[in-house]
Amino acid sequence: DQQVKQNSPSLSVQEGRISILNCDYTNSMFDYFLWYKKYPAEGPTFLISISSIKDKNEDGRFTVFLNKSAKHLSLHIVPSQPGDSAVYFCAASASGANNLFFGTGTRLTVIP
Amino acid sequence: KAGVTQTPRYLIKTRGQQVTLSCSPISGHRSVSWYQQTPGQGLQFLFEYFSETQRNKGNFPGRFSGRQFSNSRSEMNVSTLELGDSALYLCASSDGQGFFSGNTIYFGEGSWLTVV
Repeated sequence: DQQVKQNSPSLSVQEGRISILNCDYTNSMFDYFLWYKKYPAEGPTFLISISSIKDKNEDGRFTVFLNKSAKHLSLHIVPSQPGDSAVYFCAASASGANNLFFGTGTRLTVIP
Repeated sequence: KAGVTQTPRYLIKTRGQQVTLSCSPISGHRSVSWYQQTPGQGLQFLFEYFSETQRNKGNFPGRFSGRQFSNSRSEMNVSTLELGDSALYLCASSDGQGFFSGNTIYFGEGSWLTVV
């Protein structure tokens, strides 16, 4: 049972435009959410996170939005750059836990 | 500081064999967790160790086991390998204090296991 879902396996965006990656979750106990970026042959790299007490968190070009009532979060990348091309994983955790539940990933391609 | 180190990076095993993978966490981190990545399945949580004790376990058969040593290094073992065990096995380390303390999980580059 996939508790974290990324329904878009791939996304292509022009350089300089906005990339929006979406993630849905089913477990209402999740209260901390993270995004990881993964290049081929490398481990996932932490990008940005958000706790359930917030609905938005920004870090430079990256912003994560959380809609708890819809059990939905999204990652916005503005402006998108070719170096952003990678697989992005959404992950969630419940309070007190130290393990993550991951989505299946979205492959972002930023076209120069 | 040094990152998470996993060995070996690549290995090929035959069905029925067993395999042991090793992970050295970031210095000072006491929590090590293991994940399996297969195409279309994302990253699936295997287990997490903290101070040599397994704190949490995912939904994998008993053929998958692990342990953690006093220096926080961890090993995972898969016995009686099956073709479906072919995957990227990722190790992650953290300080083990949970995410609300500002902690996060850092991953190694993974061990690619192919079962033939």
